[in-house]
Amino acid sequence: GAGVSQSPRYKVAKRGQDVALRCDPISGHVSLFWYQQALGQGPEFLTYFQNEAQLDKSGLPSDRFFAERPEGSVSTLKIQRTQQEDSAVYLCASSFAPQVPGEQYFGPGTRLTVT
Amino acid sequence: QKEVEQDPGPLSVPEGAIVSLNCTYSNSAFQYFMWYRQYSRKGPELLMYTYSSGNKEDGRFTAQVDKSSKYISLFIRDSQPSDSATYLCAMSEAAGNKLTFGGGTRVLVKP
Repeated sequence: GAGVSQSPRYKVAKRGQDVALRCDPISGHVSLFWYQQALGQGPEFLTYFQNEAQLDKSGLPSDRFFAERPEGSVSTLKIQRTQQEDSAVYLCASSFAPQVPGEQYFGPGTRLTVT
Repeated sequence: QKEVEQDPGPLSVPEGAIVSLNCTYSNSAFQYFMWYRQYSRKGPELLMYTYSSGNKEDGRFTAQVDKSSKYISLFIRDSQPSDSATYLCAMSEAAGNKLTFGGGTRVLVKP
């Protein structure tokens, strides 16, 4: 089935490199969320899009983190000048519409390791 | 202190036993309560979705929410080895809003 897909699944970056993580949500889903999951922890909210509009970026840990969804479908999370503390799994989730009770469907995540 | 607290486990039970999981939270604005299951190297998968206080049953799973105590529970009856996973509670203030997760409880069901 056409679930949420993320690429790459694994990314190793040297400290200081820039990385770009891609999310393909379920077709027709208006809402898109990014979460960060550290090892052994629960996911933590990073940012939220409604169509192409980024309505909440309160969870982004620093100005090195940037997300976009220019056409309201595919989204990219970019991390500049990666640091070791950025090592985590980055999860993308989509849901049908805002203000509608329903499931957030998660992708498999991108595991980022910064060496 | 985190908004949502969850015992990390691991919780080890024999096959067929009842698994009991719970979370406490501090934000009284939370209205929607969810339980997700996460297998190793996979994304979370929704198990149960509850609005406000009360009980909800779905097959072997029962979710309970007590807003007065800020306490939610998940029970898994007749547990199977395939239930071995990490269980995450999650909450939101409004429908379609960002989720706040607990840290997850690792469950091991031994054959």
